[in-house]
Amino acid sequence: EIVMTQSPASLSVSPGERATLSCRASQTVSSNLAWYQQKPGQTPRLLIYGASTRATGIPARFSGSGSGTEFTLTISSLQSEDSALYYCQQYNSWPPITFGQGTRLEIK
Amino acid sequence: EVQLLESGGGLVQPGGSLRLSCAAPGFTFSAYAMTWVRQAPGKGLEWVAAISGSGGSTFYLDSAKGRFTISRDNSRSTLYLYMNSLRAEDTAIYYCAKGGYCAGDCSLKFYYRNGLDVWGQGTTVTVSS
Repeated sequence: EIVMTQSPASLSVSPGERATLSCRASQTVSSNLAWYQQKPGQTPRLLIYGASTRATGIPARFSGSGSGTEFTLTISSLQSEDSALYYCQQYNSWPPITFGQGTRLEIK
Repeated sequence: EVQLLESGGGLVQPGGSLRLSCAAPGFTFSAYAMTWVRQAPGKGLEWVAAISGSGGSTFYLDSAKGRFTISRDNSRSTLYLYMNSLRAEDTAIYYCAKGGYCAGDCSLKFYYRNGLDVWGQGTTVTVSS
């Protein structure tokens, strides 16, 4: 099973600044990685797939990068509505599909 | 509009059974792989099971094997999760989610190539005496 580790566990960033979230895989997942956003009490929403392709309707300030075992989700020009939990998910080697434990982003 | 509408959750005693349903109007249901993901209270996301577009291929989390069965009725555009021998640790919100284009029984690489792009609102399963 591929273990996905996200860091930091939480971060607090001011509006208008940039947030950088990391995800590391215990073995290579190539570019088969997705990112999801989950706001309190809401359903997860797909942000990024293929490590760097934005899903339909996702603003350009969300960007993904990386391949192999190291991945980054960058959110530029943070807005208050970006406050959420963010999960990475690998789908290179499965079953099982595995998610990271999540990073909680707070907008100050 | 593509929607996924789960139902069937509830309170069940340990060892009991439940059937979850996920109605999927608004897209060509039979052409897509489908997945169940769960989220225990205050915890992260956990993949549970997946099924090909035809229903001919199924995959499970180890702890779900032999207890859970994922299936689909393409004529009704509905996904199911049959859960038996339920345990306290199965308590969670269960989400169905739409995967990649997978008409028939496709290669594994197609199931998630575009991520899980549509999620239902979730249905809550509580296993407790």
